[in-house]
Amino acid sequence: QSALTQPPSASGSPGQSVTISCTGTSSDVGGYNYVSWYQHHPGKAPRLMIYEVTKRPSGVPDRFSGSKSGNTASLIVSGLQAEDEADYYCSSYAGSSNWVFGGGTKLTVL
Amino acid sequence: QLQLQESGPGLVKPSETLSLTCTVSGGSISNSNYYWGWIRQPPRKGLEWIGSIYYTGSTYYNPSLKSRVTISVDTSKKQFSLKLTSVTAADTAVYYCARLGITATTYAFDFWGQGSLVTVSS
Repeated sequence: QSALTQPPSASGSPGQSVTISCTGTSSDVGGYNYVSWYQHHPGKAPRLMIYEVTKRPSGVPDRFSGSKSGNTASLIVSGLQAEDEADYYCSSYAGSSNWVFGGGTKLTVL
Repeated sequence: QLQLQESGPGLVKPSETLSLTCTVSGGSISNSNYYWGWIRQPPRKGLEWIGSIYYTGSTYYNPSLKSRVTISVDTSKKQFSLKLTSVTAADTAVYYCARLGITATTYAFDFWGQGSLVTVSS
């Protein structure tokens, strides 16, 4: 199984919206509605932001949303805030009790 | 609140075995709604799923690491452990333990430890 493909960086000004993509194959992202997204501030534990493509755990602001089309999933962060600056990783179930992650995207709030 | 804490040596010599333990507090490791997993992040690279275990002992491993990985669980101690044999410098990474949902937060890692840096060097 290969890692999911994410852009290395993304940026936006406060208040703007940013979309981070996550591209896999029909064996992972395209084959299952089990894509999740994680926010990671260096030195801290990663935080689950989105699961099952579009669902938010309690406590996650509704500025964070997810979607999927074919083999590509997306994380949308609207109304950017300074505290959103972090690394973001996608993950997908890949069948046969296997999971795969993306390479990560560094989000910068300008 | 659920907490996970990794523990183990921070330095391992090449060709030796890396061993880490994750202690679960604030919740049950025997909860049938969850797996428990290990994920690592090499320096300046992305996350890599290593493997997962159910409280019954059923295990699932990344095919690329399967020949070198063993994950075990001790429900009486509320711990699960990782062993990675024949390590090389490429195994240098921050190792995270995490909880993996089966029903709620299906197939997502919803709680993570802070991570444990393991360096492979002589």
